[in-house]
Amino acid sequence: GAVVSQHPSRVICKSGTSVKIECRSLDFQATTMFWYRQFPKQSLMLMATSNEGSKATYEQGVEKDKFLINHASLTLSTLTVTSAHPEDSSFYICSARDEGGARYEQYFGPGTRLTVT
Amino acid sequence: AQSVTQPDIHITVSEGASLELRCNYSYGATPYLFWYVQSPGQGLQLLLKYFSGDTLVQGIKGFEAEFKRSQSSFNLRKPSVHWSDAAEYFCAVGAVKGGDMRFGAGTRLTVKP
Repeated sequence: GAVVSQHPSRVICKSGTSVKIECRSLDFQATTMFWYRQFPKQSLMLMATSNEGSKATYEQGVEKDKFLINHASLTLSTLTVTSAHPEDSSFYICSARDEGGARYEQYFGPGTRLTVT
Repeated sequence: AQSVTQPDIHITVSEGASLELRCNYSYGATPYLFWYVQSPGQGLQLLLKYFSGDTLVQGIKGFEAEFKRSQSSFNLRKPSVHWSDAAEYFCAVGAVKGGDMRFGAGTRLTVKP
């Protein structure tokens, strides 16, 4: 149990286009999901906290108009990178919080590698 | 705000040798602490976590970690390293159970044959 999926696993897009990344909790409901970004050979940096039915909370320095987050259901959050540029190329990882019972733990997706050409 | 320091960027050990990866955290209350492993191009795999109770935590793949409040540390250990343990290791701290986490910079482990 407690599986989180991401789609796509890899995506290549042209500069100026938008890309949507999906994060799904497969066997539990998640009111809260988190989006992280990881540059090559670096650590994960929290970008935003996604809350079902409400606006996402963005970390300082993260452009909310560029990284659109939608958490429309208890099992799906999406991150849309708008007007992507080569500097947006990165590994994007989501996590979902399992709030069922006493678990209340966070589970990570496998990541999405975005390359902007 | 919580933060994590992993002092060692890169560690090389011989196969069969013991391993200790250091992690120091900064947080005002009792933190929730985690160790994750990441292979190249892959996602994160949870090795172990500390929420409360016994300060010596056992994890998967023969790893263990010890929470030392007095030293604000949560070092990861393994008595005998295998070549397959070569990967990037991240220590993370959460302020509340299930809350957002802050990650250390990571330690890259190389295993010599």
